[in-house]
Amino acid sequence: DAGVIQSPRHEVTEMGQEVTLRCKPISGHNSLFWYRQTMMRGLELLIYFNNNVPIDDSGMPEDRFSAKMPNASFSTLKIQPSEPRDSAVYFCASSFGGNEQFFGPGTRLTVL
Amino acid sequence: GENVEQHPSTLSVQEGDSAVIKCTYSDSASNYFPWYKQELGKRPQLIIDIRSNVGEKKDQRIAVTLNKTAKHFSLHITETQPEDSAVYFCAASPRGGRGKLIFGQGTELSVKP
Repeated sequence: DAGVIQSPRHEVTEMGQEVTLRCKPISGHNSLFWYRQTMMRGLELLIYFNNNVPIDDSGMPEDRFSAKMPNASFSTLKIQPSEPRDSAVYFCASSFGGNEQFFGPGTRLTVL
Repeated sequence: GENVEQHPSTLSVQEGDSAVIKCTYSDSASNYFPWYKQELGKRPQLIIDIRSNVGEKKDQRIAVTLNKTAKHFSLHITETQPEDSAVYFCAASPRGGRGKLIFGQGTELSVKP
Protein backbone atom coordinates (compact mmCIF):
# COMPACT_ATOMS: atom_id res chain seq x y z
CA ASP A 1 0.00 0.00 0.00
CA ALA A 2 1.18 3.53 -0.74
CA GLY A 3 0.19 4.79 2.68
CA VAL A 4 -1.93 7.86 3.31
CA ILE A 5 -1.82 10.21 0.34
CA GLN A 6 -2.30 13.96 0.63
CA SER A 7 -2.45 16.66 -1.99
CA PRO A 8 -1.22 19.20 -2.63
CA ARG A 9 2.05 18.94 -0.66
CA HIS A 10 2.48 22.71 -0.69
CA GLU A 11 -0.09 25.43 -1.19
CA VAL A 12 0.49 29.16 -1.31
CA THR A 13 -2.57 31.33 -1.62
CA GLU A 14 -3.77 34.83 -0.91
CA MET A 15 -6.03 35.83 1.92
CA GLY A 16 -9.68 35.42 1.02
CA GLN A 17 -9.14 32.56 -1.41
CA GLU A 18 -10.69 29.13 -1.02
CA VAL A 19 -8.32 26.29 -0.19
CA THR A 20 -9.11 22.58 -0.58
CA LEU A 21 -6.87 19.91 0.89
CA ARG A 22 -7.30 16.30 -0.16
CA CYS A 23 -6.63 12.97 1.52
CA LYS A 24 -6.77 9.33 0.48
CA PRO A 25 -6.61 7.00 3.51
CA ILE A 26 -5.03 3.57 3.56
CA SER A 27 -7.34 1.02 1.98
CA GLY A 28 -9.35 -0.86 4.59
CA HIS A 29 -8.97 1.76 7.29
CA ASN A 30 -12.28 2.92 8.75
CA SER A 31 -11.23 6.06 10.63
CA LEU A 32 -9.83 9.27 9.17
CA PHE A 33 -8.42 12.23 11.09
CA TRP A 34 -7.50 15.79 10.10
CA TYR A 35 -4.85 17.57 12.18
CA ARG A 36 -3.27 21.02 12.07
CA GLN A 37 0.29 21.55 13.28
CA THR A 38 1.82 24.89 14.23
CA MET A 39 4.70 25.88 16.48
CA MET A 40 2.37 27.74 18.81
CA ARG A 41 -0.44 25.20 19.17
CA GLY A 42 1.29 21.90 18.43
CA LEU A 43 -0.67 19.05 16.85
CA GLU A 44 -4.42 19.78 17.01
CA LEU A 45 -7.18 17.38 16.01
CA LEU A 46 -9.64 19.25 13.81
CA ILE A 47 -12.18 16.56 12.92
CA TYR A 48 -12.43 12.83 12.54
CA PHE A 49 -14.62 10.39 10.65
CA ASN A 50 -15.58 6.82 11.42
CA ASN A 51 -17.00 4.78 8.53
CA ASN A 52 -17.27 8.05 6.54
CA VAL A 53 -19.43 9.71 9.21
CA PRO A 54 -18.13 12.80 11.06
CA ILE A 55 -17.87 11.88 14.74
CA ASP A 56 -16.29 14.89 16.40
CA ASP A 57 -15.70 18.28 14.78
CA SER A 58 -15.17 20.21 18.01
CA GLY A 59 -11.62 21.02 16.94
CA MET A 60 -12.66 22.87 13.81
CA PRO A 61 -11.67 26.44 14.58
CA GLU A 62 -14.39 28.35 12.76
CA ASP A 63 -17.20 28.07 10.25
CA ARG A 64 -14.66 28.89 7.58
CA PHE A 65 -13.44 25.30 7.96
CA SER A 66 -15.42 22.35 6.62
CA ALA A 67 -14.61 18.70 5.94
CA LYS A 68 -16.28 15.95 3.97
CA MET A 69 -15.78 12.26 3.41
CA PRO A 70 -18.01 11.22 0.50
CA ASN A 71 -16.62 7.68 0.43
CA ALA A 72 -14.15 5.40 2.19
CA SER A 73 -11.23 6.42 -0.01
CA PHE A 74 -11.43 10.21 -0.10
CA SER A 75 -11.75 13.20 2.19
CA THR A 76 -11.42 16.95 1.79
CA LEU A 77 -10.75 19.80 4.18
CA LYS A 78 -11.85 23.17 2.89
CA ILE A 79 -11.06 26.65 4.16
CA GLN A 80 -13.19 29.46 2.78
CA PRO A 81 -12.18 32.25 3.01
CA SER A 82 -8.59 31.62 4.03
CA GLU A 83 -6.69 33.92 6.42
CA PRO A 84 -2.97 34.30 7.19
CA ARG A 85 -3.47 32.67 10.62
CA ASP A 86 -4.54 29.48 8.85
CA SER A 87 -0.94 28.99 7.71
CA ALA A 88 0.18 25.62 9.09
CA VAL A 89 0.94 22.05 8.14
CA TYR A 90 -2.23 20.01 7.78
CA PHE A 91 -1.96 16.26 8.30
CA CYS A 92 -4.43 13.56 7.44
CA ALA A 93 -4.18 10.22 9.26
CA SER A 94 -6.08 6.95 9.07
CA SER A 95 -6.48 3.92 11.28
CA PHE A 96 -8.41 0.69 11.66
CA GLY A 97 -10.19 -0.42 14.79
CA GLY A 98 -8.84 2.28 17.06
CA ASN A 99 -5.25 1.24 16.63
CA GLU A 100 -2.15 2.95 15.25
CA GLN A 101 -2.79 6.09 13.25
CA PHE A 102 -0.78 6.37 10.05
CA PHE A 103 -0.05 9.92 9.00
CA GLY A 104 0.18 11.30 5.50
CA PRO A 105 3.08 13.53 4.39
CA GLY A 106 1.12 16.68 5.18
CA THR A 107 0.17 19.80 3.24
CA ARG A 108 2.13 22.94 4.04
CA LEU A 109 -0.31 25.84 3.64
CA THR A 110 0.84 29.44 3.42
CA VAL A 111 -1.78 32.17 3.27
CA LEU A 112 -0.34 35.56 2.30
CA GLY B 1 -12.48 15.93 27.86
CA GLU B 2 -9.06 14.32 27.82
CA ASN B 3 -6.01 16.50 28.37
CA VAL B 4 -2.40 15.37 27.96
CA GLU B 5 0.56 17.21 29.49
CA GLN B 6 4.10 16.43 28.32
CA HIS B 7 7.45 17.32 29.89
CA PRO B 8 10.06 18.51 29.23
CA SER B 9 9.50 20.62 26.13
CA THR B 10 13.19 20.36 25.22
CA LEU B 11 15.80 17.80 26.23
CA SER B 12 19.48 17.71 25.38
CA VAL B 13 21.64 14.64 26.11
CA GLN B 14 25.06 13.33 25.18
CA GLU B 15 25.27 10.41 22.81
CA GLY B 16 25.08 7.19 24.78
CA ASP B 17 23.10 8.66 27.67
CA SER B 18 19.47 7.85 28.43
CA ALA B 19 16.51 10.15 27.78
CA VAL B 20 13.19 10.13 29.61
CA ILE B 21 10.03 11.97 28.53
CA LYS B 22 6.98 12.05 30.79
CA CYS B 23 3.27 12.53 30.13
CA THR B 24 0.20 12.76 32.32
CA TYR B 25 -3.39 12.37 31.21
CA SER B 26 -6.66 13.41 32.79
CA ASP B 27 -9.23 10.82 31.64
CA SER B 28 -8.88 7.68 33.75
CA ALA B 29 -10.86 5.74 31.13
CA SER B 30 -8.18 6.27 28.46
CA ASN B 31 -6.91 2.90 27.29
CA TYR B 32 -4.30 3.38 24.55
CA PHE B 33 -1.06 5.38 24.76
CA PRO B 34 1.13 5.70 21.66
CA TRP B 35 4.38 7.59 21.19
CA TYR B 36 5.22 9.25 17.89
CA LYS B 37 8.55 10.51 16.56
CA GLN B 38 8.62 13.41 14.12
CA GLU B 39 11.82 14.31 12.33
CA LEU B 40 12.21 17.79 10.91
CA GLY B 41 9.93 18.30 7.91
CA LYS B 42 8.51 14.78 8.14
CA ARG B 43 5.30 13.19 9.31
CA PRO B 44 4.80 11.78 12.85
CA GLN B 45 5.51 8.05 12.96
CA LEU B 46 4.62 5.56 15.68
CA ILE B 47 7.62 4.21 17.58
CA ILE B 48 5.94 2.33 20.43
CA ASP B 49 2.55 2.06 22.11
CA ILE B 50 1.04 0.55 25.22
CA ARG B 51 -2.46 -0.42 26.28
CA SER B 52 -3.98 0.06 29.69
CA ASN B 53 -3.79 -3.63 30.61
CA VAL B 54 0.03 -3.58 30.40
CA GLY B 55 2.47 -1.79 32.73
CA GLU B 56 5.58 -1.82 30.59
CA LYS B 57 6.64 -2.55 27.02
CA LYS B 58 10.09 -2.62 25.48
CA ASP B 59 11.41 -2.61 21.93
CA GLN B 60 15.20 -2.64 21.67
CA ARG B 61 16.42 0.72 23.03
CA ILE B 62 12.94 2.11 23.58
CA ALA B 63 10.59 1.36 26.49
CA VAL B 64 7.34 2.78 27.73
CA THR B 65 5.93 2.50 31.25
CA LEU B 66 2.36 3.17 32.35
CA ASN B 67 1.10 3.97 35.85
CA LYS B 68 -2.70 3.92 35.65
CA THR B 69 -3.16 4.96 39.27
CA ALA B 70 -1.13 8.11 38.78
CA LYS B 71 -2.36 8.55 35.18
CA HIS B 72 1.21 8.86 34.07
CA PHE B 73 3.27 7.26 31.29
CA SER B 74 6.86 7.69 30.20
CA LEU B 75 9.14 7.04 27.24
CA HIS B 76 12.65 5.79 27.94
CA ILE B 77 15.38 5.79 25.29
CA THR B 78 18.65 4.14 26.24
CA GLU B 79 22.05 4.45 24.54
CA THR B 80 20.88 7.49 22.60
CA GLN B 81 22.27 8.14 19.13
CA PRO B 82 22.32 11.33 17.01
CA GLU B 83 19.58 9.87 14.79
CA ASP B 84 17.27 9.85 17.83
CA SER B 85 17.19 13.66 17.59
CA ALA B 86 13.59 14.60 16.76
CA VAL B 87 10.36 15.81 18.34
CA TYR B 88 8.54 13.13 20.34
CA PHE B 89 4.81 13.24 21.01
CA CYS B 90 2.85 11.23 23.53
CA ALA B 91 -0.88 10.69 23.08
CA ALA B 92 -3.84 9.17 24.86
CA SER B 93 -6.96 7.64 23.41
CA PRO B 94 -10.14 8.17 25.44
CA ARG B 95 -12.28 5.05 25.84
CA GLY B 96 -15.14 5.23 23.39
CA GLY B 97 -13.28 7.78 21.32
CA ARG B 98 -13.21 5.44 18.30
CA GLY B 99 -9.48 5.84 17.88
CA LYS B 100 -9.33 9.55 18.64
CA LEU B 101 -5.95 10.64 19.99
CA ILE B 102 -5.18 13.61 22.19
CA PHE B 103 -1.53 14.63 21.76
CA GLY B 104 0.88 16.20 24.21
CA GLN B 105 2.74 19.34 23.20
CA GLY B 106 5.89 17.51 22.14
CA THR B 107 9.48 17.19 23.37
CA GLU B 108 12.36 18.28 21.19
CA LEU B 109 15.18 15.82 21.86
CA SER B 110 18.70 16.73 20.84
CA VAL B 111 21.43 14.09 21.06
CA LYS B 112 24.89 15.60 20.89
CA PRO B 113 27.71 13.47 19.48
